Amino acid sequence: TQLLEQSPQFLSIQEGENLTVYCNSSSVFSSLQWYRQEPGEGPVLLVTVVTGGEVKKLKRLTFQFGDARKDSSLHITAAQPGDTGLYLCAGWGYQKVTFGTGTKLQVIP
Amino acid sequence: EAGVVQSPRYKIIEKKQPVAFWCNPISGHNTLYWYLQNLGQGPELLIRYENEEAVDDSQLPKDRFSAERLKGVDSTLKIQPAELGDSAVYLCASSLGTLQGRRASYNEQFFGPGTRLTVL
Repeated sequence: TQLLEQSPQFLSIQEGENLTVYCNSSSVFSSLQWYRQEPGEGPVLLVTVVTGGEVKKLKRLTFQFGDARKDSSLHITAAQPGDTGLYLCAGWGYQKVTFGTGTKLQVIP
Repeated sequence: EAGVVQSPRYKIIEKKQPVAFWCNPISGHNTLYWYLQNLGQGPELLIRYENEEAVDDSQLPKDRFSAERLKGVDSTLKIQPAELGDSAVYLCASSLGTLQGRRASYNEQFFGPGTRLTVL
């Protein structure tokens, strides 16, 4: 069974602060995705990373896939209240998908 | 273009009763997923279909859960009988299919809003 642990589990920060969310596993993944979910809705894909060491940027969000493809990070610069939500990583390996444990982010205006 | 449609949005039942959830994926999407999500946690895959075939149902509690995807389009997920611990949000997602490269296979999953089940 592939497990993806996210940290921190909860994060409450002030608007304008920076933050990093981590997604770690002992398994190797062929690709890794990050999703954001808002209350009452399904998760929405933010990015997919497929190459070890890959870095992708989406406006104020920076995603990195670990060199060994076992971990990933999501960095948000100057967080906004609109960034509030549940952030989920999802790893693909051996034709199976596993979601992480989730990080609940609250950005206070 | 319509997204993934799920119904009902909410369901309240008493334990030991049966319940069914319905999902209509995005048109043209071959892969369909059912997930269970507890509050504040990540979704847990129950079953994945490639067209009509269930290709991964290893996490589906087959003693009480069943699913079908007739004609490779709509899908239903059933629980019979429901237990208190089944209270959760049941998410359906669809994707075009598995894209396999030399080292990677991935799907962009499009999720429905989910069905929130409460078992009393």
